[in-house]
Amino acid sequence: EPEVTQTPSHQVTQMGQEVILRCVPISNHLYFYWYRQILGQKVEFLVSFYNNEISEKSEIFDDQFSVERPDGSNFTLKIRSTKLEDSAMYFCASDRVDSPLHFGNGTRLTVT
Amino acid sequence: KQEVTQIPAALSVPEGENLVLNCSFTDSAIYNLQWFRQDPGKGLTSLLLIQSSQREQTSGRLNASLDKSSGRSTLYIAASQPGDSATYLCAVTIPGAGSYQLTFGKGTKLSVIP
Repeated sequence: EPEVTQTPSHQVTQMGQEVILRCVPISNHLYFYWYRQILGQKVEFLVSFYNNEISEKSEIFDDQFSVERPDGSNFTLKIRSTKLEDSAMYFCASDRVDSPLHFGNGTRLTVT
Repeated sequence: KQEVTQIPAALSVPEGENLVLNCSFTDSAIYNLQWFRQDPGKGLTSLLLIQSSQREQTSGRLNASLDKSSGRSTLYIAASQPGDSATYLCAVTIPGAGSYQLTFGKGTKLSVIP
């Protein structure tokens, strides 16, 4: 069965550094998402992306965050200047209309 | 603002027992509801998707019900097995501009004791 793949599985970075988290959604899916889960807390929506543009974003997704689909397969989340509170598990997801959401295994981001 | 609550936070049952996990949401204007399973260090696996017009969905030993008017859903697991041990998350979809975002509960951590 097709999967959403995310790399790296774990990223450690220093505060103030830029990070790029990478995702390869399922190939025939049209909608792409980033969610995050801070340790011990709920999974939270960050952003959705459709037709090469952001369709919705949450309050968390401020100017420090950006997303891109640089080619036909990759979907990236960039954090420009990381803060300690950005430490979390970041999940990429994709789907088609009215289908279940498929999540990747996540990237654990640790900001020191 | 939509809030999703799951009770209990943790549940431990002996193997073979039937069990029910509960989910409640504050705003009945949902597009659909999904139940997910999360294993430690892994992503979320969708178990069942119930559209707002449906009352229940079944997959193998799992049955999920939806009562939109009362803001409740239940996940019934029959004949539980140790492999069912995981955190189960409930999430509702808020209709939005061409895509949809999920609002999650905090989950119920299930342990099935052999």
